[in-house]
Amino acid sequence: GAGVSQSPRYKVAKRGQDVALRCDPISGHVSLFWYQQALGQGPEFLTYFQNEAQLDKSGLPSDRFFAERPEGSVSTLKIQRTQQEDSAVYLCASSPFSSRPETQYFGPGTRLLVL
Amino acid sequence: DQQVKQNSPSLSVQEGRISILNCDYTNSMFDYFLWYKKYPAEGPTFLISISSIKDKNEDGRFTVFLNKSAKHLSLHIVPSQPGDSAVYFCAAQRRGSNYKLTFGKGTLLTVNP
Repeated sequence: GAGVSQSPRYKVAKRGQDVALRCDPISGHVSLFWYQQALGQGPEFLTYFQNEAQLDKSGLPSDRFFAERPEGSVSTLKIQRTQQEDSAVYLCASSPFSSRPETQYFGPGTRLLVL
Repeated sequence: DQQVKQNSPSLSVQEGRISILNCDYTNSMFDYFLWYKKYPAEGPTFLISISSIKDKNEDGRFTVFLNKSAKHLSLHIVPSQPGDSAVYFCAAQRRGSNYKLTFGKGTLLTVNP
């Protein structure tokens, strides 16, 4: 079956521009996660949804970052007024359960480059 | 502050030999550990996990060892194959946090034919 898909795969933005990154989770998956992976680093947790409820946004680095999942399926991560330090790969993962981390299936990521 | 550390950025081994990837952690609240494998331009994929109540878990060619007193875990791949060449991430989950993962920086494994 289809895995987690993300779009766009690559995004180049000028500093100060707003961007929106999309995640299509595996159908029926309740949990959805966003991670940020900077160059040479491991993924870092940004936020977590259970259905449409954003239960944890403690990893969002600033109020320029906003995530939503209005209908409990597709999610969008929005970054306003992008800065060079926002350049990273943004990974989305979905899971049928929130209590078993093995069931987090990752998408291929969106590579964001802010110039 | 890096709570999960993979101190070797890269490792190179010969096909058929053992690969040993190491991971250290500092947070004693972590009680579940996982290894992920990542190929270029793909997301990480789950490989193997271990609970803190165990000291070993084996799945085919992959074995994870956990030393709680040393806050150290390792992944053994025997025998190593060229297709194992990838970045390996160690990740940990904190007791009471049933979803959030903390990752190390990863180790690039190259298995030479």
